[in-house]
Amino acid sequence: SQQGEEDPQALSIQEGENATMNCSYKTSINNLQWYRQNSGRGLVHLILIRSNEREKHSGRLRVTLDTSKKSSSLLITASRAADTASYFCATDAGNSGGSNYKLTFGKGTLLTVNP
Amino acid sequence: GAGVSQSPSNKVTEKGKDVELRCDPISGHTALYWYRQSLGQGLEFLIYFQGNSAPDKSGLPSDRFSAERTGGSVSTLTIQRTQQEDSAVYLCASSPETGTSGRIGGDTQYFGPGTRLTVL
Repeated sequence: SQQGEEDPQALSIQEGENATMNCSYKTSINNLQWYRQNSGRGLVHLILIRSNEREKHSGRLRVTLDTSKKSSSLLITASRAADTASYFCATDAGNSGGSNYKLTFGKGTLLTVNP
Repeated sequence: GAGVSQSPSNKVTEKGKDVELRCDPISGHTALYWYRQSLGQGLEFLIYFQGNSAPDKSGLPSDRFSAERTGGSVSTLTIQRTQQEDSAVYLCASSPETGTSGRIGGDTQYFGPGTRLTVL
């Protein structure tokens, strides 16, 4: 079963609006990462949040992590047409006995920002 | 500096043929990963190399898939007797031996642009 699952599967907004994507996972983790993918090709790392962190910012990105609920959210503020892409969360196995290098990805949220 | 590179960018092959996909990691990165992404899906872990340690092959879907890493740098993923279900984008990533956490792995992975494999 999926370790990380993004929600919603697709999101369409107008330029300038904020976009919020959520990720849920099942097992404990060391860290959770968000990646972005354009046109089904290489992924670009956006931000990493560790299990002892609750919130992290990077430019227009804000990530939260709630380990009690096993969930994370990615907020993109003041969205731009260039933010149109698929966004994936990825988790490592944490203390569940699995390796901490093997990232497990969800199926992603397709974000469309309309000009 | 140069990022992760992969070749070819696209590969079309006939069912039953063997294919080789190449990955050049970022210089100095000792960890290398292969993933597969089928249409509209997330990434599926295939194999992991770390330095001189034995690779983690637990994600390889069948014995038709194999990978090697020569000299701790370039890696080749080989698919023998390709099947139509092997059609996917194959992504390679690398990371430093230890990240800011000081732990091996578990940190940012830098991805290449991928190889889109189509098996007819």
